[in-house]
Amino acid sequence: GDSVTQMEGPVTLSEEAFLTINCTYTATGYPSLFWYVQYPGEGLQLLLKATKADDKGSNKGFEATYRKETTSFHLEKGSVQVSDSAVYFCALSANSGGSNYKLTFGKGTLLTVNP
Amino acid sequence: NAGVTQTPKFRVLKTGQSMTLLCAQDMNHEYMYWYRQDPGMGLRLIHYSVGEGTTAKGEVPDGYNVSRLKKQNFLLGLESAAPSQTSVYFCASKHREETQYFGPGTRLLVL
Repeated sequence: GDSVTQMEGPVTLSEEAFLTINCTYTATGYPSLFWYVQYPGEGLQLLLKATKADDKGSNKGFEATYRKETTSFHLEKGSVQVSDSAVYFCALSANSGGSNYKLTFGKGTLLTVNP
Repeated sequence: NAGVTQTPKFRVLKTGQSMTLLCAQDMNHEYMYWYRQDPGMGLRLIHYSVGEGTTAKGEVPDGYNVSRLKKQNFLLGLESAAPSQTSVYFCASKHREETQYFGPGTRLLVL
């Protein structure tokens, strides 16, 4: 079945540091890939997505590139802020065969950014 | 446009009690989902629906039932709550090939 593996946290960085959160996946067909963010006490919000190989998703300074050859979708940001402190989830959605388009999530990575 | 709303926000149950969680969306989405979130486990799919009157099992359906009598509502029921069902429950909805939108969550504690 489909699965997502992301680096375990917690990750603690200082403000303006570079961020990488690794994500790899296993899926049949050609999935779409997502990064969701969950701020404390809130639901999940879509951060960025990519729907085909070599696509780069970007939003709020975050980027991730869909790498089919390495089955990866690593999240990066060049300079993190305190306000980026949250839990980040990598996810995939199977698109093949007109299926239910359900999301398969990684376990989440807690990011804490200190001033 | 309220998006996806969930009722209640927080609930405490005793083992064996029943309750229903309500999810409502005003975006005319066809697909709706119920997830549970537990520490270190990410989000796991409980049940989902691809349209009014249809439901299907997800990854962890045992102990839960669902109904989708109206397109905008998706109900999650616990007939006999157990401590293992202590969790945060999230509802989500989407159009066929678009992004899932999540509700704010319901925190459930079963004693």
